[in-house]
Amino acid sequence: AQSVAQPEDQVNVAEGNPLTVKCTYSVSGNPYLFWYVQYPNRGLQFLLKYITGDNLVKGSYGFEAEFNKSQTSFHLKKPSALVSDSALYFCAVRVNAGKSTFGDGTTLTVKP
Amino acid sequence: DAGVIQSPRHEVTEMGQEVTLRCKPISGHDYLFWYRQTMMRGLELLIYFNNNVPIDDSGMPEDRFSAKMPNASFSTLKIQPSEPRDSAVYFCASGNRGNEQFFGPGTRLTVL
Repeated sequence: AQSVAQPEDQVNVAEGNPLTVKCTYSVSGNPYLFWYVQYPNRGLQFLLKYITGDNLVKGSYGFEAEFNKSQTSFHLKKPSALVSDSALYFCAVRVNAGKSTFGDGTTLTVKP
Repeated sequence: DAGVIQSPRHEVTEMGQEVTLRCKPISGHDYLFWYRQTMMRGLELLIYFNNNVPIDDSGMPEDRFSAKMPNASFSTLKIQPSEPRDSAVYFCASGNRGNEQFFGPGTRLTVL
């Protein structure tokens, strides 16, 4: 069965430092992978996706993610974190033509 | 496009009452999803539709929950009778085959 795991419940970084939010996946076949962000009292918002092609995917707000097939990972990254990046981040993998399964989420806190 | 629209944004009701949550998906999207989010259980997929037809309702917790999609621009999630443990934020999302999902702002339900 398709699944994702986010091994860290919480990530803390200082403003201006690079950030990484980790995600590993388990799929049969080629993976469709997604990252979403949720700000307080808001719905999830799509950040970026990997379907095929370049292993480095660029998304909204300066975020990028690196697809690594050998390590079955799809880590979210940003070169320089902002306080406003503090939010809950979800990794997801497509299960079938319709639905995706989501990870448990990682809370990112960026301190000034 | 206004995005996914949900109403009401907040609902407070008493145990035993019927609750109806409403969703208008983004025009042109052929998939619609209902999720529930709580601190304890995280983000749960309740049911999803493709072209107005329910495809997978295995996440619906009990017979007290029902969902309909009478046309491409409207869906409802009904809880009857409601219980305190149903208190959560309910999200509606829409999307197209295999692609990212667009979430509404959510309905915060409190059952007293």
